[in-house]
Amino acid sequence: DQQVKQNSPSLSVQEGRISILNCDYTNSMFDYFLWYKKYPAEGPTFLISISSIKDKNEDGRFTVFLNKSAKHLSLHIVPSQPGDSAVYFCAARVSGNTPLVFGKGTRLSVIA
Amino acid sequence: DSGVTQTPKHLITATGQRVTLRCSPRSGDLSVYWYQQSLDQGLQFLIQYYNGEERAKGNILERFSAQQFPDLHSELNLSSLELGDSALYFCASSDSQGRGGGYTFGSGTRLTVV
Repeated sequence: DQQVKQNSPSLSVQEGRISILNCDYTNSMFDYFLWYKKYPAEGPTFLISISSIKDKNEDGRFTVFLNKSAKHLSLHIVPSQPGDSAVYFCAARVSGNTPLVFGKGTRLSVIA
Repeated sequence: DSGVTQTPKHLITATGQRVTLRCSPRSGDLSVYWYQQSLDQGLQFLIQYYNGEERAKGNILERFSAQQFPDLHSELNLSSLELGDSALYFCASSDSQGRGGGYTFGSGTRLTVV
């Protein structure tokens, strides 16, 4: 039972354009959501997060949007750069020090 | 360098064998998590330790076990290995509440069972 779903295995975007990565979840108890970025031969690194009490969080070129009623979140990258090419994982957890539940990831390719 | 150290980076072993993966958490972090990433799969949670005690268990097989030592490093033991155990195994650590960015991951151990 996949509680966090990233339905697009891959996404290709031109440099300078917007990249939109989507994530859906099924567990209504999740109250904290994160995006991680992973380069080959490295571990995932934290990118941005959002609490369930917010619907938007912005950090530079990265913005995460949360739609609780739809159980959907998205990561926007504007403008996209070739260095953004990586696998992006959506993750969620129930409150407290509980294990993160990850999606399968979306491979983003930014083409120059 | 994330501060989380995993050894070895690569491991090739035969079916039926036993291996031990090692993880040193970031300084000050009390929680250690183990995740498995198989082909076309996301990061599957295996087990969590907090300050030496098992805190949560995920989809960890009975052939697998883990522990966290007094110096907070952790080991994941995989026994009676099967071809399907070939995967990337990640260790992550966090502070007591897993605040902010959540976890800090190591660079992983790639296990190949032949």
